[in-house]
Amino acid sequence: AQSVSQHNHHVILSEAASLELGCNYSYGGTVNLFWYVQYPGQHLQLLLKYFSGDPLVKGIKGFEAEFIKSKFSFNLRKPSVQWSDTAEYFCALESGGGADGLTFGKGTHLIIQP
Amino acid sequence: NAGVTQTPKFQVLKTGQSMTLQCAQDMNHEYMSWYRQDPGMGLRLIHYSVGAGITDQGEVPNGYNVSRSTTEDFPLRLLSAAPSQTSVYFCASSWTSGSLSGANVLTFGAGSRLTVL
Repeated sequence: AQSVSQHNHHVILSEAASLELGCNYSYGGTVNLFWYVQYPGQHLQLLLKYFSGDPLVKGIKGFEAEFIKSKFSFNLRKPSVQWSDTAEYFCALESGGGADGLTFGKGTHLIIQP
Repeated sequence: NAGVTQTPKFQVLKTGQSMTLQCAQDMNHEYMSWYRQDPGMGLRLIHYSVGAGITDQGEVPNGYNVSRSTTEDFPLRLLSAAPSQTSVYFCASSWTSGSLSGANVLTFGAGSRLTVL
């Protein structure tokens, strides 16, 4: 069975700090990978996605993620965070060719202090 | 575009009561799904549908029923509510599922917060 592991459940940073949120997955075949964000009181929105091609993908609001197949990782990065980045971040996986829906990690609650 | 619309936004039930969470999308998406979100647990898939008339179980289907009589609607029924079903429920849809098309980015509804006493 596939699974997604997010290493940090809570992260607190100051504005302008650099961010890296870890995501590892367990699945032996082709995968699609996603990062979704949930701002306070709002529903989930897509931040970025990887389907194929360049393993470094760029998303909205200056976020990027790198797919490292050998490490089964898809870490999310941002060079300089803002207070408005306070949110919950979810890494998700879809296994290749399947219709089983997305498997989500447990989420990382990011708090940016002004 | 309304996107994915969920009703109600909030609901309080007593143990044993039944209810239906409604989900409708106006994007002609084939794929629809229900997730529940619990603190520290992320989102877990309850049921999903790849098209009208087709439904299947996800990771945590027990205590829930679904049907998909039309492309637009995908209601989630709680047959006999239990306190363990207290959660926030999200409906999500996409053009399709699977990796081949690349068109399976989920659009989420705003969520339905359910409390079972």
